[in-house]
Amino acid sequence: QVQLVQSGAEVKKPGSSVKVSCRTAGGTFGSDGITWVRQAPGQGLEWLGGVIPIFGTPNYAQKFQGRVTITTDESTATAFMELSNLKSEDTALYYCARMLLPPSMTPLTPGWFHPWGQGTLVTVSS
Amino acid sequence: DIVMTQSPDSLAVSLGERATINCKSSQSVLSDLDNKDYLAWYQQKPGQPPKLLIYWAFTRQPGVPDRFSGGGSGTDFTLTISSLQAEDVAVYFCQQYYTIPITFGQGTRLEIK
Repeated sequence: QVQLVQSGAEVKKPGSSVKVSCRTAGGTFGSDGITWVRQAPGQGLEWLGGVIPIFGTPNYAQKFQGRVTITTDESTATAFMELSNLKSEDTALYYCARMLLPPSMTPLTPGWFHPWGQGTLVTVSS
Repeated sequence: DIVMTQSPDSLAVSLGERATINCKSSQSVLSDLDNKDYLAWYQQKPGQPPKLLIYWAFTRQPGVPDRFSGGGSGTDFTLTISSLQAEDVAVYFCQQYYTIPITFGQGTRLEIK
């Protein structure tokens, strides 16, 4: 049973960066993708981006282009999401999830998400 | 971007009764290539991450009780809980994975009447 284990809560100043990790416990990336979703307090789900490690090139939501970087380390089956130039409105729970893919996948193929990590709270405050 | 709109925003149903949540996409998520709808449903309980219930619009994730079912095609979809149990109290989200950016509905809060 694959589990995703995320790094701990972070408190950051406006203008700084945060890097959250997501380790795949009990498995490897395989041919699945890894994706990042955030949830502001009391709000819905917002997709930041994702990557299919066997292809390597991440895809990002336009809203976060230039501020978010998603990378992977296949040797440790760990994914990372770095968000720069933080603002107070970036305060949210950040989730990683395995992205399951259709058989005919390409580097641009999106998928459905299972399982999810436990979430990492990022608080941006001066 | 494909906009996903759920209705209602909140819903109160008696135990044992049927609950139906609707999800409408601003454009079709039915693929011409494989005739599949690129639509998933998630359940989120307080203090927990979302949990996958259904993908391909109607395929139940292993381990999900069979009282949960998905339906619809193209732009209009439903999640139905045939007989509501107390443990089904949660927020439910639909998601399209037809194209990037991946987008979610705003969520529907399900409560016990």
